[in-house]
Amino acid sequence: GQNIDQPTEMTATEGAIVQINCTYQTSGFNGLFWYQQHAGEAPTFLSYNVLDGLEEKGRFSSFLSRSKGYSYLLLKELQMKDSASYLCAVSDTDKLIFGTGTRLQVFP
Amino acid sequence: GAGVSQSPRYKVAKRGQDVALRCDPISGHVSLFWYQQALGQGPEFLTYFQNEAQLDKSGLPSDRFFAERPEGSVSTLKIQRTQQEDSAVYLCASSSMRDPLQETQYFGPGTRLLVL
Repeated sequence: GQNIDQPTEMTATEGAIVQINCTYQTSGFNGLFWYQQHAGEAPTFLSYNVLDGLEEKGRFSSFLSRSKGYSYLLLKELQMKDSASYLCAVSDTDKLIFGTGTRLQVFP
Repeated sequence: GAGVSQSPRYKVAKRGQDVALRCDPISGHVSLFWYQQALGQGPEFLTYFQNEAQLDKSGLPSDRFFAERPEGSVSTLKIQRTQQEDSAVYLCASSSMRDPLQETQYFGPGTRLLVL
């Protein structure tokens, strides 16, 4: 079956670092995506991992371990505008399979 | 255009009514996807087009759902005899390569459908 797990909600303080974990079990794997989605808006692309290791892009980094079926998104120097849902998605043949999303709230 | 656009942004339908949702992908994008997103959930795959060919429709929940992309650009998702469980946000995404496996999908703002 297809299963992607991530925490439902997280909270953090402005300026802090937060790590959002994602574990997956899918029949196919052609890479893992992280998307950010503000309420009522479209998901926007953050990162893509297909090989094991860490990909860094500014304040955001994403890690993948294919053998463990595990990824995380690391957000540094949190800002209030980072309050959003973060979606983990696995590319399986011709489609993306999404987790339920992690709603992150950043407090001052 | 600058991004994926969808219309209408909001649609209220009475149960049993037919609706049509439109998606304009990014110009030149070969692949187009439809997803359904229920409140508080992640998007769920509905169907996928490569140019005008519908290559996967395994996610369509029933035969009341129909999608087309006749000229390989604009796509329409039609829902016949809408039911309350059809209430959701319908997202369209497009990507630029013939092989979409490792290509980023760019999403539109979605159509929020409410069936009363």
